[in-house]
Amino acid sequence: DSGVTQTPKHLITATGQRVTLRCSPRSGDLSVYWYQQSLDQGLQFLIQYYNGEERAKGNILERFSAQQFPDLHSELNLSSLELGDSALYFCASSVSGSPLHFGNGTRLTVT
Amino acid sequence: AQSVTQPDIHITVSEGASLELRCNYSYGATPYLFWYVQSPGQGLQLLLKYFSGDTLVQGIKGFEAEFKRSQSSFNLRKPSVHWSDAAEYFCAVGSMEYGNKLVFGAGTILRVKS
Repeated sequence: DSGVTQTPKHLITATGQRVTLRCSPRSGDLSVYWYQQSLDQGLQFLIQYYNGEERAKGNILERFSAQQFPDLHSELNLSSLELGDSALYFCASSVSGSPLHFGNGTRLTVT
Repeated sequence: AQSVTQPDIHITVSEGASLELRCNYSYGATPYLFWYVQSPGQGLQLLLKYFSGDTLVQGIKGFEAEFKRSQSSFNLRKPSVHWSDAAEYFCAVGSMEYGNKLVFGAGTILRVKS
């Protein structure tokens, strides 16, 4: 168990809808990272938050947004969903200079 | 540009045989290097990491990896593979300069035959 908790484990929704994925980092970890894993793109970095502030952005679509709350949990919001957004979304957390620890992911299926 | 190449998409080895998974990277800063393993339906578990110092690093489950700066490689090895090692393995590179976010390779799927 990595200590990173992601909910829900599975999500099935229709095109055009909006969903929210939630992540609770390991105790004491200030950084949260979101990754998308798909068959055609592999593991892609989306966005990083550190102690509530956005730190780095990767290949995140404008339809996607994230935030980190004062209790350090993070949410990834995906809107106007398309079939191509179907993927496994991972959250990871770390303290500065340490490896990332990943949650078990949320599998999103857009129909 | 930062990139990680895992040239082998699939590898099949016999149980008890040795294993080497290849990883090459291209990175514009002092790299930190990692190997993660993913079992079906699971998250990514850290096997080992290299930050600095001894270029041969030991990890969990009997894995080791060697950092070769001259070859920009960080290959993963195990002397004797067990059936439970069947999974997908990802090499990743990161650095403090880039905020510790990781760039991953495409992964190598390991199949173990008995």
